[in-house]
Amino acid sequence: SQTIHQWPATLVQPVGSPLSLECTVEGTSNPNLYWYRQAAGRGLQLLFYSVGIGQISSEVPQNLSASRPQDRQFILSSKKLLLSDSGFYLCAWSPPGRMPKMVSNQPQHFGDGTRLSIL
Amino acid sequence: AQKITQTQPGMFVQEKEAVTLDCTYDTSDQSYGLFWYKQPSSGEMIFLIYQGSYDEQNATEGRYSLNFQKARKSANLVISASQLGDSAMYFCAMRGLKAAGNKLTFGGGTRVLVKP
Repeated sequence: SQTIHQWPATLVQPVGSPLSLECTVEGTSNPNLYWYRQAAGRGLQLLFYSVGIGQISSEVPQNLSASRPQDRQFILSSKKLLLSDSGFYLCAWSPPGRMPKMVSNQPQHFGDGTRLSIL
Repeated sequence: AQKITQTQPGMFVQEKEAVTLDCTYDTSDQSYGLFWYKQPSSGEMIFLIYQGSYDEQNATEGRYSLNFQKARKSANLVISASQLGDSAMYFCAMRGLKAAGNKLTFGGGTRVLVKP
């Protein structure tokens, strides 16, 4: 079966420090991978997604970047954190592709999330 | 572009009663899918139920059912026989046929608190 691991679970960082959050998926090949951010009591904002190694699409301009150095590894990074980067970060995966002319009915499966506090 | 609207920020429900969570959507895609997720206070996102735009039957999964009204562009989640463990945030999401990378668009969520 497929599993997704995300770490760390919580992180407290000073303003201006770098960031690296890691997400790995097991039990599947060539998954679609996603990074979301969630402000307290709010919905999920998609930050990045990737359909393959080295392929990253950014959804919103921001202080963060993403990389996919291996098929099942997705990394969220920042060189200098801002106070506004605080939040709950979720990684997710879904099976690749879909049938032609049919929307994929496969849900995204989420990691347990990282609570990031910037001081 | 796709948009999901959940107009109920929060609601109380009595244990063992049913509750309906509203979700309306907007899309130009002819084919799309609607998903509901549950997020307990611990933070993990749990997939509950899926409804395809061309599915003839409303989706059901145990105590969860979807009241899908395509003409009204609504996909309301019904939770029957509420339990204390149903207290959580609930998110409606959609995916259009043209969604690159099989992306999902999420609504703002509804917080449900089940009272004993």
